[in-house]
Amino acid sequence: EAGVAQSPRYKIIEKRQSVAFWCNPISGHATLYWYQQILGQGPKLLIQFQNNGVVDDSQLPKDRFSAERLKGVDSTLKIQPAKLEDSAVYLCASSLGGEKQYFGPGTRLTVT
Amino acid sequence: KQEVTQIPAALSVPEGENLVLNCSFTDSAIYNLQWFRQDPGKGLTSLLLIQSSQREQTSGRLNASLDKSSGRSTLYIAASQPGDSATYLCAVTGNQFYFGTGTSLTVIP
Repeated sequence: EAGVAQSPRYKIIEKRQSVAFWCNPISGHATLYWYQQILGQGPKLLIQFQNNGVVDDSQLPKDRFSAERLKGVDSTLKIQPAKLEDSAVYLCASSLGGEKQYFGPGTRLTVT
Repeated sequence: KQEVTQIPAALSVPEGENLVLNCSFTDSAIYNLQWFRQDPGKGLTSLLLIQSSQREQTSGRLNASLDKSSGRSTLYIAASQPGDSATYLCAVTGNQFYFGTGTSLTVIP
């Protein structure tokens, strides 16, 4: 079966610019997660979707970050405007029953 | 807020050695605990998932234990191989999902 797809794999932008990341989960997986992993740290959950509804976005900096999963399949995470501290790997994961998660390769963002 | 700690942060062992990675968490009200492997430039791969009612799970050379009351989990790797070199992360699911900071393992041939 195809895994979780993410694009782009790498992105370099200047601070105050905008950026968007895309994730396509494993077919049939109702739950989708976005994580931020800063170098040297464990991933931090930003937002969790169940189908097209938000289950948990308590750690999403809503003043600059937004995410959507309009049709309950693929998802987009946007940062506008970006700050230097947003430099990180953004990981997308999906799960069928909410337990075992399958991760994509991630998008490495560098903000200069 | 749940805090998940992994010690040591880095570990180097010779090939063939058995080793233990540690994970501790502050809030014992969890549904499950997972161990993941992360290779450089790649995503995470789930290794083992232990439900809160279970004490351990085994997969091949890997054995994970869970002691919820003391807030601890261990990942035991038997007969380590150079291919085991990676960062190992534990994660707990309670009201939210929290990862530890990881242990970077190097197995020296």
